[in-house]
This record gives sequence, structure tokens and C-alpha cells, in this order.
Amino acid sequence: EAGVAQSPRYKIIEKRQSVAFWCNPISGHATLYWYQQILGQGPKLLIQFQNNGVVDDSQLPKDRFSAERLKGVDSTLKIQPAKLEDSAVYLCASSLRILSSSYNEQFFGPGTRLTVL
Amino acid sequence: AQTVTQSQPEMSVQEAETVTLSCTYDTSESDYYLFWYKQPPSRQMILVIRQEAYKQQNATENRFSVNFQKAAKSFSLKISDSQLGDAAMYFCAYRSSESGTYKYIFGTGTRLKVLA
Repeated sequence: EAGVAQSPRYKIIEKRQSVAFWCNPISGHATLYWYQQILGQGPKLLIQFQNNGVVDDSQLPKDRFSAERLKGVDSTLKIQPAKLEDSAVYLCASSLRILSSSYNEQFFGPGTRLTVL
Repeated sequence: AQTVTQSQPEMSVQEAETVTLSCTYDTSESDYYLFWYKQPPSRQMILVIRQEAYKQQNATENRFSVNFQKAAKSFSLKISDSQLGDAAMYFCAYRSSESGTYKYIFGTGTRLKVLA
């Protein structure tokens, strides 16, 4: 079974530029998460989708970050314009479903390391 | 709001020895899940072990076991017979099981070094 795929693996941009990250979850996984992991910290949830609908985006800085999952499969996360403090690893994860009290394991992708200069 | 605290930024253990990583959390919920995740250098995060709050028995996965103290809101990870491949960042995480978004909340991590 293929895992969660992310691209690019690394990205270096100047501040005020735009950048986009792509994630392809495990086949059949309805739930998709985007996390931001700043160096020395744990992952912080930015947004979670159930199929193509947003379940939680309370920690997404909506003035500069956007995300979509149009067909309920792969997803893109965009930053426009980027700031120095956006330097981090952006992790994508997926699980079968979330809107249930039962447990569904969350599988992580390798992440995209973003450096903003 | 729920919080997860890992007070040990870094720990070291001699190969073949045992080490315990600490985690405390705060919640007003009665039903939830707790996890330990491992993130090796430049590699993706993987699940090590999980604990369901309603289960009193501590979870065990081979060399990994937890000490879950629900009243104290403590969830420590014990690694027995440590191996060089255990060197990684370890994150404690919380997930609600009550109605809502079921989002995960992670601690700041503990870097584990394994000495040969």
C-alpha cells in the first residue's frame, strides 16, 4: 500500500513570494490533515478535511494561507505572501475517517521543508 | 482547551538500557486517545503506541509500553532494551473521542539519543 505522498520535499523562497505544496493521501482515506511543524516544536494542525469539506481550519492564518481538496482526494496548501516565520516543515497526514469516536490511525507523509529568506 | 506537555527536551540512554519519556496533558473530557509518535531524523512520523482513556490496562507494543495515569493526566513511554534505531524525536499527542473535530494536539517533543 502506497503511503502519503508530498511534493516538493524542499522549497526555498524569498519573503513575499508565493508557494504551494501538494499532498496525495493514502487511497480510500477520507480525512486529510495539514500540519505546520516549526523547528523544535510539535506539529500544529492547520486544517483538516473530511472528503472535500473543511472540518476545522481554526488555526489556519487565512489572510495568507489557503487549502483545497476539490475532488476529495489530493490537496494543495498555498501561502501567499510568505513571511519569514512561515519557515517550517509542512506535514500532510490522512486517515480513513474522523467523524467517529472510534479510532482511525493517522498516517503521515514525509513533509515539505520550507525556508523563507 | 486541551494541552500536551513534554518537559524533557532531550534524553539519552545507553544501548540495551531502559528509558522513560514523560508526558502530561490537560483535558476536561473523559473519553480520548493518547499516542506516542516517533519522528526519526529526516524521516516521516510513525505511530509507536496508542492508549484509549477508557481502558485501564496500559498499552504495550513489543519493547514499548506506557504508564497511563488517568487521574494524574500522565502518559509516559517506556522503551526497553534500547536500540540505536530508537534514536529520534518522540511526540506525545492527544485526540478527543467526544463529538467535534477530533483533532490531534501534539507536545513539543523529546529528542532521544541512544549511546553505543
